[in-house]
Amino acid sequence: AQSVTQPDIHITVSEGASLELRCNYSYGATPYLFWYVQSPGQGLQLLLKYFSGDTLVQGIKGFEAEFKRSQSSFNLRKPSVHWSDAAEYFCAVGARTGTASKLTFGTGTRLQVTL
Amino acid sequence: GAVVSQHPSWVICKSGTSVKIECRSLDFQATTMFWYRQFPKQSLMLMATSNEGSKATYEQGVEKDKFLINHASLTLSTLTVTSAHPEDSSFYICSAIGAVTGNSPLHFGNGTRLTVT
Repeated sequence: AQSVTQPDIHITVSEGASLELRCNYSYGATPYLFWYVQSPGQGLQLLLKYFSGDTLVQGIKGFEAEFKRSQSSFNLRKPSVHWSDAAEYFCAVGARTGTASKLTFGTGTRLQVTL
Repeated sequence: GAVVSQHPSWVICKSGTSVKIECRSLDFQATTMFWYRQFPKQSLMLMATSNEGSKATYEQGVEKDKFLINHASLTLSTLTVTSAHPEDSSFYICSAIGAVTGNSPLHFGNGTRLTVT
């Protein structure tokens, strides 16, 4: 069974500082990997996804993530955080099977941005 | 494109009543819709997968008779919480996939917050 670990429950960064949110997964092969962002009381918005190919993936809002097979990681990064980036971030893994669309989510990382 | 809409965005109901939540794909045909539940400050847990025209597949531990899912058309799936109790209070979110989205749930609804009093 697949699983996702987001070690950091809560992270606080200053506006303009760089950001890295950690995500580790457990899966028997190369999975589909996703990062979503959720604002309070809202649904999820896809930031980026990795299916195959280039291990450095560019997403929306200036985010990027790097798939590292050797570390079973898919960390999310942004070089300069904006106050509007404050939200909950979820990493998710999808199995590469007929049920590839079934996602397992991590527990989320809440990002707080100080001015 | 590929917009998913949920209705209502929030609902308050009395214990023992039933509540229906709608999930619509506005500009594409959704062959499969997923229903998730999210407790406060927690992650999303998949409840069930519904394919148009067939019975939903429920995850282990989810009561089929409590959470009725219907996916009667390619643009609409409904989740009915029957005989709701306070412990059913939660944030329910759907996602949908179709040919336009590929085989991955790229788009989610904005969720429905259910409060049972």
